[in-house]
Amino acid sequence: DAGVIQSPRHEVTEMGQEVTLRCKPISGHDYLFWYRQTMMRGLELLIYFNNNVPIDDSGMPEDRFSAKMPNASFSTLKIQPSEPRDSAVYFCASSLSFAVHTGELFFGEGSRLTVL
Amino acid sequence: AQSVTQPDIHITVSEGASLELRCNYSYGATPYLFWYVQSPGQGLQLLLKYFSGDTLVQGIKGFEAEFKRSQSSFNLRKPSVHWSDAAEYFCAVGPPGGYNKLIFGAGTRLAVHP
Repeated sequence: DAGVIQSPRHEVTEMGQEVTLRCKPISGHDYLFWYRQTMMRGLELLIYFNNNVPIDDSGMPEDRFSAKMPNASFSTLKIQPSEPRDSAVYFCASSLSFAVHTGELFFGEGSRLTVL
Repeated sequence: AQSVTQPDIHITVSEGASLELRCNYSYGATPYLFWYVQSPGQGLQLLLKYFSGDTLVQGIKGFEAEFKRSQSSFNLRKPSVHWSDAAEYFCAVGPPGGYNKLIFGAGTRLAVHP
């Protein structure tokens, strides 16, 4: 399997622009997670989906952030409008199940976002 | 609330030397504990995990970790470090029920001198 695939790997944009990050989970994985990694806050869970349905978005920082999963093989994380403090590495991860005993988290390589 | 502390931000060791990375957790019940490694430009990869049973767990790449309930610790060890082990290491804890809402520590960046 190709693993979790994220795009773009790097994105540089200007404040106020819309940013869309994309993720393709591992085929057959029912759970998809979006994490954000910053120097100040480390790795934070933003939102996760089960069978394409958002289950917990309590980690989404504010209304400028939105995430969708229109089908089992694709998810997006959108920031509109973007701000410099959104600069971070955004990781997507997927797992077979929500139970740690049976569902190891597999991470993508991340999307490094820089907002000028 | 659950929390994970990795006291060392940066560690430098010589190739061939032993390694111990510290991890302390704050938790009321028996936690689910993990160590992940992030190589430069890569995503996180699971090294090992502890759920219950034997408190010394073996992982990939020659790593092991020991769960010590009395010290609320789950330290990662390797007897002889290789230059390819240079990376960032994250300790993580899972909530009651064993669900994949992991809380990660801030990470320890390991540098290896030749």
